Amino acid sequence: QVQLVQSGAEVKKPGSSVKVSCKASGAIFSSYAISWLRQAPGQGLEWMGGIIPLYGTSNHAQKFQGRVTISADESTSTVYIDLSSLRSEDTAVYYCASGDNWFQSWGQGTLVTVSS
Amino acid sequence: EIVMTQSPATLSVSPGERVTLSCRASQSVSNNVAWYQQKPGQAPRLLIYDASSRAISLPARFSGSGSGTEFTLTISSLQSEDLAVYFCQQYSSRPPWTFGQGTKVEIK
Repeated sequence: QVQLVQSGAEVKKPGSSVKVSCKASGAIFSSYAISWLRQAPGQGLEWMGGIIPLYGTSNHAQKFQGRVTISADESTSTVYIDLSSLRSEDTAVYYCASGDNWFQSWGQGTLVTVSS
Repeated sequence: EIVMTQSPATLSVSPGERVTLSCRASQSVSNNVAWYQQKPGQAPRLLIYDASSRAISLPARFSGSGSGTEFTLTISSLQSEDLAVYFCQQYSSRPPWTFGQGTKVEIK
């Protein structure tokens, strides 16, 4: 079973970008799909997109079209999500999780706060 | 986009009682439903996938059922450590995968 460790909390200005990392261990990195989800304060979960490092292919929710990039670095077993043009509504805890449809293992979460 | 609707929003239950959480999909999702438990300040934990398959090391008191548009998560005998919010999620056909808004289980 894969273990996932995410980067630390971020505070960003509106209009800027944020890049959150997710380092995997305990399994063959490239064979797992890794997905990104987020949870706004007091709200439910939202699937953002995912990647299969073995194939380098990623997909994402249409809602984030043009703003999100999901990438993977096999040499460090790390997956990244880059979200641009940040607005206050992007304030949330961002999670990475293993799997591309249901999600077995989760990272600890990264709080991204967007505030002027 | 498929909408998942959970009921009730909050449930107050005494330890040892049987708990039934409901989740309804806006269209058929076959058996492509997962359930998660999220305790305060923690990441979600997978409980059930494919509507009724149990995650590794899941206590036997948790079970899932349903197909099509109606799904249920049952806790046969509530324990104090089951205080949490429970989310259902669909992964039918193609993304985006969507979640219900959650049911909060409180200990009475």
